[in-house]
Amino acid sequence: SQQGEEDPQALSIQEGENATMNCSYKTSINNLQWYRQNSGRGLVHLILIRSNEREKHSGRLRVTLDTSKKSSSLLITASRAADTASYFCATDNYGGATNKLIFGTGTLLAVQP
Amino acid sequence: DSGVTQTPKHLITATGQRVTLRCSPRSGDLSVYWYQQSLDQGLQFLIQYYNGEERAKGNILERFSAQQFPDLHSELNLSSLELGDSALYFCASSLYVGVGELFFGEGSRLTVL
Repeated sequence: SQQGEEDPQALSIQEGENATMNCSYKTSINNLQWYRQNSGRGLVHLILIRSNEREKHSGRLRVTLDTSKKSSSLLITASRAADTASYFCATDNYGGATNKLIFGTGTLLAVQP
Repeated sequence: DSGVTQTPKHLITATGQRVTLRCSPRSGDLSVYWYQQSLDQGLQFLIQYYNGEERAKGNILERFSAQQFPDLHSELNLSSLELGDSALYFCASSLYVGVGELFFGEGSRLTVL
């Protein structure tokens, strides 16, 4: 079962543009994380935001969290061709099980050089 | 390099067979998670172990089983394989029993013919 859904499913932009991906989830959470996956490779952790935080930055990444709307967004600024990958949000506390980290459906980002 | 090692990287087998996937977590990490990634199901949480004990269960079929050994490596056993079991199987590790940042291996790609 999927806890989160990313939107859009796919996004194509030009190098230098900003990319915004959204994640909606269903139940209350403790933390929300964003991961990146290059084609066929393992996932790499990008950023974690706690339920009592509203915004977090890491380099070119900016994550927001709105627990009232059960949604989060990931903004990648000044994108590069190397940012081409799939991006997943992941939430814990699904069904009250804090040990489960459930991933969304992902957004496939293509950055054209 | 995440520090998580998975073997084998690729595996081709026939329906009805049994395979074992192995995972060595990052040095010092006590938690191991198993995920299945397929095109139609996305990234599905299977099971989590912490220091040798099962701590959370997801969408793991009865034909599948896992364990974590005293040296903290983990194995995922898949039996009576079906075509639909073809997928990328990821292991991830983390230091804590609760969910934090996960470090993913590169996955084991299973093809069932």
